[in-house]
Amino acid sequence: DTGVSQNPRHKITKRGQNVTFRCDPISEHNRLYWYRQTLGQGPEFLTYFQNEAQLEKSRLLSDRFSAERPKGSFSTLEIQRTEQGDSAMYLCASRRSGVDTQYFGPGTRLTVL
Amino acid sequence: AQKVTQAQTEISVVEKEDVTLDCVYETRDTTYYLFWYKQPPSGELVFLIRRNSFDEQNEISGRYSWNFQKSTSSFNFTITASQVVDSAVYFCALTPETGGYNKLIFGAGTRLAVHP
Repeated sequence: DTGVSQNPRHKITKRGQNVTFRCDPISEHNRLYWYRQTLGQGPEFLTYFQNEAQLEKSRLLSDRFSAERPKGSFSTLEIQRTEQGDSAMYLCASRRSGVDTQYFGPGTRLTVL
Repeated sequence: AQKVTQAQTEISVVEKEDVTLDCVYETRDTTYYLFWYKQPPSGELVFLIRRNSFDEQNEISGRYSWNFQKSTSSFNFTITASQVVDSAVYFCALTPETGGYNKLIFGAGTRLAVHP
């Protein structure tokens, strides 16, 4: 099995710019999750997809955040008009249907200057 | 409330010592799953174990063992004869039946430093 992959691994941007991250899940996994992790904290759930349908969004996901999974395979997470408070590690995970374990990618570390 | 508490922020041990990482959880659900993940300095969360709420049997995997006690809502993790490679941040997580087991609720993590 190829694991979950995320690109880029690091992103440095200036406040106000837009950024987009990509996640490629494990190939047979139909559920895909995004989490955000700030320094010294555990990951916090942002949103998840079952195939191409986005089924739940956290209140943490402000209007500046949008996630897509157009063909039920890879997913993108876009942040518009970035703010310094968006600086964090953005983690993607995937799993199969039913009760199963979420497997995580290496994350994208975002720094907003 | 659905919550996971890892009261130990940092633990420092010398190689070959045994160490126990504590995890206490809160949930209204009767059916749920508990997890432990390891996050080495590279940042990727590595899955270690999953237990369901109906299985209180302790589990051992090599130097790792887990003690699940519903009576105290705890799911503690012990590393026997610790090694430098065990140095990482360890997270305990809960996924309740509410929401279809889709949301992992993490504790704040325990940073373990194993010194030679």
